[in-house]
Amino acid sequence: AQRVTQPEKLLSVFKGAPVELKCNYSYSGSPELFWYVQYSRQRLQLLLRHISRESIKGFTADLNKGETSFHLKKPFAQEEDSAMYYCALEYGNKLVFGAGTILRVKS
Amino acid sequence: DVKVTQSSRYLVKRTGEKVFLECVQDMDHENMFWYRQDPGLGLRLIYFSYDVKMKEKGDIPEGYSVSREKKERFSLILESASTNQTSMYLCASSQDRGLNQPQHFGDGTRLSIL
Repeated sequence: AQRVTQPEKLLSVFKGAPVELKCNYSYSGSPELFWYVQYSRQRLQLLLRHISRESIKGFTADLNKGETSFHLKKPFAQEEDSAMYYCALEYGNKLVFGAGTILRVKS
Repeated sequence: DVKVTQSSRYLVKRTGEKVFLECVQDMDHENMFWYRQDPGLGLRLIYFSYDVKMKEKGDIPEGYSVSREKKERFSLILESASTNQTSMYLCASSQDRGLNQPQHFGDGTRLSIL
């Protein structure tokens, strides 16, 4: 069965420090993965998807099929990055989400 | 820009009531979804619809039903509300053009069942 695991409920870093939000997945097919973000008092929105190989707001994520991971990284955290981050796996037209990680960037 | 609108931001109902949550999208998307969002559990899919009058159960459909009479509108129904259905409910929509289509979310409805 498909599953997404985000092992950290809360990640707290200082401004300017590197950030890595972990995501591991379980899926027998070829994975299509996303990161969604929800800033305070805003709706959940797409941050990036692995197929695009893009960098959004300084964040990147690389799919590692050997480790079944899709970790989200940013070299230098900013206070405005504070939010809830969800990793999601697509199957069919549906998504299965991880439990989410709260990122708190301290000044 | 895609707009997904949920009819209520906050809703308080009593145990046993029949509750309707409404969602409308304005981008002619084929797919629509209802999730509930709970701390520590992330988003869990309740039901989704890939066309008018078509629906499929998600991971936690018990106690819920849905209706999609028009393409732009997807309703979630709590047949007889219970306290364990107190949650944040999110509606989303997406295009049906193969894989990797992002889902667009509404603001959510925070439902409290007393």
